[in-house]
Amino acid sequence: DAGITQSPRHKVTETGTPVTLRCHQTENHRYMYWYRQDPGHGLRLIHYSYGVKDTDKGEVSDGYSVSRSKTEDFLLTLESATSSQTSVYFCAAGTGYNEKLFFGSGTQLSVL
Amino acid sequence: GESVGLHLPTLSVQEGDNSIINCAYSNSASDYFIWYKQESGKGPQFIIDIRSNMDKRQGQRVTVLLNKTVKHLSLQIAATQPGDSAVYFCAERRGTSNAGGTSYGKLTFGQGTILTVHP
Repeated sequence: DAGITQSPRHKVTETGTPVTLRCHQTENHRYMYWYRQDPGHGLRLIHYSYGVKDTDKGEVSDGYSVSRSKTEDFLLTLESATSSQTSVYFCAAGTGYNEKLFFGSGTQLSVL
Repeated sequence: GESVGLHLPTLSVQEGDNSIINCAYSNSASDYFIWYKQESGKGPQFIIDIRSNMDKRQGQRVTVLLNKTVKHLSLQIAATQPGDSAVYFCAERRGTSNAGGTSYGKLTFGQGTILTVHP
């Protein structure tokens, strides 16, 4: 996992509830990313961070927010979960922008 | 090669054979490419990368070839082992140019090819 830990590994929640996924890295990478992976789609970028408190939207950012208060931690929040957000979520980190990303083991999220 | 849709391309090989997995990319301005391996229930694992100013790069048992003329990328795995069974996918970084020069663009991932290695 190249020093990237995601928690929780599995979560089941109900529609309308807030959910926060956590990503922790130990390699001091500058860039961190949140992706979702769904059948029929490649990995799709939700949000990314290029430094502490510096974040930007990806291609599927609606309904998600992120925060990065420390280099090593990147949080993904679903403010009000919907069934369309049922997916596998991956955190990634890397030293260069969109280069040599290392991924965590993923979080399987089910929204009922 | 890779395709859009629910049915991924598959490649079945015997243990010890060499495997070649292909990927077509669409943007002639793409400047950087990565190959990943993903085993069931796990996150993508970085295998090897290559920049557009190179045609070939070798790693441990793997070689990536880049043909910019036909926008094609391939991953060769030598002496394939059962532990190599996984989904393999490529990613391209689409460079964009502006008045100030070229800036690095988004990373786009393919859906992958399923490699099955039979003992």
